[in-house]
Amino acid sequence: GENVEQHPSTLSVQEGDSAVIKCTYSDSASNYFPWYKQELGKGPQLIIDIRSNVGEKKDQRIAVTLNKTAKHFSLHITETQPEDSAVYFCAASRNYGQNFVFGPGTRLSVLP
Amino acid sequence: DGGITQSPKYLFRKEGQNVTLSCEQNLNHDAMYWYRQDPGQGLRLIYYSQIVNDFQKGDIAEGYSVSREKKESFPLTVTSAQKNPTAFYLCASSRQTDIGNTIYFGEGSWLTVV
Repeated sequence: GENVEQHPSTLSVQEGDSAVIKCTYSDSASNYFPWYKQELGKGPQLIIDIRSNVGEKKDQRIAVTLNKTAKHFSLHITETQPEDSAVYFCAASRNYGQNFVFGPGTRLSVLP
Repeated sequence: DGGITQSPKYLFRKEGQNVTLSCEQNLNHDAMYWYRQDPGQGLRLIYYSQIVNDFQKGDIAEGYSVSREKKESFPLTVTSAQKNPTAFYLCASSRQTDIGNTIYFGEGSWLTVV
């Protein structure tokens, strides 16, 4: 079955700097990759997603890149702000959204 | 306002008791899911349902049960057979978009065994 690894497990950056979180997946048939942000005590919220026929997608300060050959995808946050501090989860799925497998999460701290 | 509503937010259970967590969605989504999250850990799938009156076991279904009698509702019962039930439980539902079958989560329920 699918296995998703996520690195780093914790990340601290200075406000205004960029943050990058990387996930690798094992199933070459996976074709849909969402990213979620979870604040303390709340449910995860979808922040961006990408499908396998696209290499990059941007939404304001957030971007996701996908390398199908290497089977990894990354979340890029630019100009980080304190409110970006949260746990971020990546996920992979086959058939554009069946049987999601989540990474273990990255705790991002943005220091003022 | 559309969304996924979980209740209660906090629940305490005595050992040996069954408890039921409620999940209601008014998003008209066909599929619904239950995940368990332990502190500092990722999300593990308990059960999912693609359609009314049908559901499938996830990776950690032992000690849990569900029902899907209505499209809007997917309650989870944590039975006394679940040996370590203290965790954060997340309900989710999904819809088909132009990019994939996107999952949306509720705000979660904290269950503590006392």
